[in-house]
Amino acid sequence: QQQVKQSPQSLIVQKGGISIINCAYENTAFDYFPWYQQFPGKGPALLIAIRPDVSEKKEGRFTISFNKSAKQFSLHIMDSQPGDSATYFCAAKSPGNQFYFGTGTSLTVIP
Amino acid sequence: KAGVTQTPRYLIKTRGQQVTLSCSPISGHRSVSWYQQTPGQGLQFLFEYFSETQRNKGNFPGRFSGRQFSNSRSEMNVSTLELGDSALYLCASSLATSGGSYEQYFGPGTRLTVT
Repeated sequence: QQQVKQSPQSLIVQKGGISIINCAYENTAFDYFPWYQQFPGKGPALLIAIRPDVSEKKEGRFTISFNKSAKQFSLHIMDSQPGDSATYFCAAKSPGNQFYFGTGTSLTVIP
Repeated sequence: KAGVTQTPRYLIKTRGQQVTLSCSPISGHRSVSWYQQTPGQGLQFLFEYFSETQRNKGNFPGRFSGRQFSNSRSEMNVSTLELGDSALYLCASSLATSGGSYEQYFGPGTRLTVT
C-alpha cells in the first residue's frame, strides 16, 4: 500500500512558468513532510520541508503548501528554470522516524 | 563539512553471492538510514540505525541486514543475491533532532547490478 501518493509522474513546463507537484497521504500521524530533488547519478537532496502545524513555507523560488484537513501537500516552483529539471520526491515521516516516499515526478523545464 | 560518502559507487555481482556496502555519515550524525531505489518501486526504506542499534526496519527479507559502528559508520549486507536486488542503494544520515524535524542527507548511492 502506497503511503504517499504523488502526481503527476512527469511534468513539462516552460522556462519562467510555475511547476506544481502534488502529494497525498493517509496516515494522520505523519509529522514531517520533506521534498527532495534528485539529479541523474546523484542521491536525493533535501529541498524544503514542512511540519503539519504550518500551512505554507517558502524558501526562494520553492514553496510548500500544506492542507492538513485534506491530507495533501504540494510543491510549487516559481519562475522554473532549465536547471530545475530533475526528479522530485515528496516524503512523509512517521513518529517512529520512518520515511515514506512518493513515486517521484520527472520535471523538464523547456528553455 | 564533508557529506555522506558511500563505497563502492558501482558493483557487479553474480546471483547467489553476497555483498557489503559501506556508508560514512556526516560528522556528528548518529542516525543512518538505508534505502533501495528502483525505477519500478521507487525509494523504499530498508532500515535505520541510531547509536549502533537498529531502530526501524522496512519490509525487506532477512537477506538484507545492516550494522552500525561506534563511529556511526554503517554497513549493509545482502546475502544470496537475486536479480531483483539490482538497484541503487542509498544511505542517508541525520542528526535525528527532536521537535518533529528530521533532516536527512543522502549519499550518492551504490549502484548494484546482479547478473
